[in-house]
Amino acid sequence: GDSVTQMEGPVTLSEEACLTINCTYTATGYPSLFWYVQYPGEGLQLLLKATKADDKGSNKGFEATYRKETTSFHLEKGSVQVSDSAVYFCALSRVISGGYNKLIFGAGTRLAVHP
Amino acid sequence: DTAVSQTPKYLVTQMGNDKSIKCEQNLGHDTMYWYKQDSKKFLKIMFSYNNKELIINETVPNRFSPKSPDKAHLNLHINSLELGDSAVYFCASSPLRLMNTEAFFGQGTRLTVV
Repeated sequence: GDSVTQMEGPVTLSEEACLTINCTYTATGYPSLFWYVQYPGEGLQLLLKATKADDKGSNKGFEATYRKETTSFHLEKGSVQVSDSAVYFCALSRVISGGYNKLIFGAGTRLAVHP
Repeated sequence: DTAVSQTPKYLVTQMGNDKSIKCEQNLGHDTMYWYKQDSKKFLKIMFSYNNKELIINETVPNRFSPKSPDKAHLNLHINSLELGDSAVYFCASSPLRLMNTEAFFGQGTRLTVV
């Protein structure tokens, strides 16, 4: 079945360091891909998305490119801040019967940024 | 105004009790979901409703029963609570088609069964 695999955390970085969180997926067809972020004590928020191959999603300095050839959607940021500390979830949207969709999430990667 | 709101935020209860978690969305979305997040942060879908109709039921024990009185509300009732039910439960909503849009999540309900 469809699935999402993320690198295990925690990822610990100093402020202004570069970030890459790897995400690969297994899916039939061409799913849409998402990164969601969960700040401490809060629900999930959409960070960015890409709906077709070679699309690049970007938001708040984060970027991810939909790579069909490598089935990947790695999250990158050039310079992280303490406020980026959160859990990051990669997800794909899969069509199920009746034309409805559901989100399938990866296990989440915790990022801790220190001053 | 909160887009997706859940109550209560925290729930501590004893094994064997029955409890409910309520969810409301004011976004006008057709589809609502319940997700369970375990202690390792892994998120798994439990149910999905579209306009009060059950769409997804992901091998969840019969003790869990969702109820959707209208498309803006999706409540979760849990009978005979067990220790393993301790988790954070998230409600979410989305427009009918998720492919090009996002799901909006509530802040979660942390359920602790003692």
